Amino acid sequence: GAVVSQHPSRVICKSGTSVKIECRSLDFQATTMFWYRQFPKQSLMLMATSNEGSKATYEQGVEKDKFLINHASLTLSTLTVTSAHPEDSSFYICSALSSTGGNQPQHFGDGTRLSIL
Amino acid sequence: LAKTTQPISMDSYEGQEVNITCSHNNIATNDYITWYQQFPSQGPRFIIQGYKTKVTNEVASLFIPADRKSSTLSLPRVSLSDTAVYYCLVGDNFNKFYFGSGTKLNVKP
Repeated sequence: GAVVSQHPSRVICKSGTSVKIECRSLDFQATTMFWYRQFPKQSLMLMATSNEGSKATYEQGVEKDKFLINHASLTLSTLTVTSAHPEDSSFYICSALSSTGGNQPQHFGDGTRLSIL
Repeated sequence: LAKTTQPISMDSYEGQEVNITCSHNNIATNDYITWYQQFPSQGPRFIIQGYKTKVTNEVASLFIPADRKSSTLSLPRVSLSDTAVYYCLVGDNFNKFYFGSGTKLNVKP
């Protein structure tokens, strides 16, 4: 149980392209999802918190117009990297928190490797 | 900012028990302690979670002293496939996780 799926797992595109990454909770509902970015040999860095039905909240230094987040249902959040440039190349990971609450831990997707040429 | 401090790396040999300690001096009353394992190019995988004393599951044990200012993840009889980065996180499961550096465990044959 508690499976989180990300799609695509890898994407390579040209500079200036916008890229959408999907995060789905497959067997549970998630009111809250989180988006992280991880550069090589570094830890995960929290980018934003995605709440179903409301605007995402972004961490300091993360441009909300650059990284558009939509959480339209209890099982899907999307991250769109707009007008991507080589410096946006990174490993993007989402996590989901069950709506049932309690002591449920966050469950993570397997990440999306984004490479901008 | 990460609320936890862990050793950057540890070495072990196959078959040994590995204990990774994490410091979280400012843990809040409502915070739980959660450990994740991450392999290269994969998302973190949940290992174990606890609030106090000892928790054990099929893969690990988590020891938490009474003051809860630290915790120890214990992996029994590690194998080569346990080579990974291990992250200790504290939070109340409704809030955000700020990852620290994690501990890179290298299991040798």
